[in-house]
Amino acid sequence: NAGVTQTPKFRVLKTGQSMTLLCAQDMNHEYMYWYRQDPGMGLRLIHYSVGEGTTAKGEVPDGYNVSRLKKQNFLLGLESAAPSQTSVYFCASSGRDSLRYEQYFGPGTRLTVT
Amino acid sequence: GQQLNQSPQSMFIQEGEDVSMNCTSSSIFNTWLWYKQDPGEGPVLLIALYKAGELTSNGRLTAQFGITRKDSFLNISASIPSDVGIYFCAGPPSGTARQLTFGSGTQLTVLP
Repeated sequence: NAGVTQTPKFRVLKTGQSMTLLCAQDMNHEYMYWYRQDPGMGLRLIHYSVGEGTTAKGEVPDGYNVSRLKKQNFLLGLESAAPSQTSVYFCASSGRDSLRYEQYFGPGTRLTVT
Repeated sequence: GQQLNQSPQSMFIQEGEDVSMNCTSSSIFNTWLWYKQDPGEGPVLLIALYKAGELTSNGRLTAQFGITRKDSFLNISASIPSDVGIYFCAGPPSGTARQLTFGSGTQLTVLP
């Protein structure tokens, strides 16, 4: 049981390049989330999904797109990378129990845009 | 959006000392979660609180859900070097579909 995994772990992009970050979970969780973490700012929600085939915007969605074609996978895309998107990106997942809000995180992807 | 104010921002303590940190909100939260993030890793859930006044322990960690529902506290007793990391509080803002708002974190350094 690997929990939440993310690929790649590190990436360097040039301004204007595109890339996709992959998140996978093996806990059969309904909900999945993408966050970015910047120094001194905690975790900010980019996009999230409440189930297979659904996505929704979070607090800072601009410049990102997501897809959830399979329940276990949640992809985050950067169409045209900008230096402001240099950050550490975390994926998380959460179960269906409506009374519990615990989210479980992956190890993160460190992205640098030059 | 609903903000969580976490304090202190950073702490430097001697090994063996007890630690206390807190999280406050201007609005009511029905759940409080505490996470720890080790350097270079993702946040790991430490304690979940679901009831006002609840006091829950996990080893040397104890967390409390404030009676007003607007605050929560995390205490670490007899700190050890592996307690180093960033501690985050989190809670679900009202009117959101299973989202969490995170505090900005408390950076803990344990000196030998």
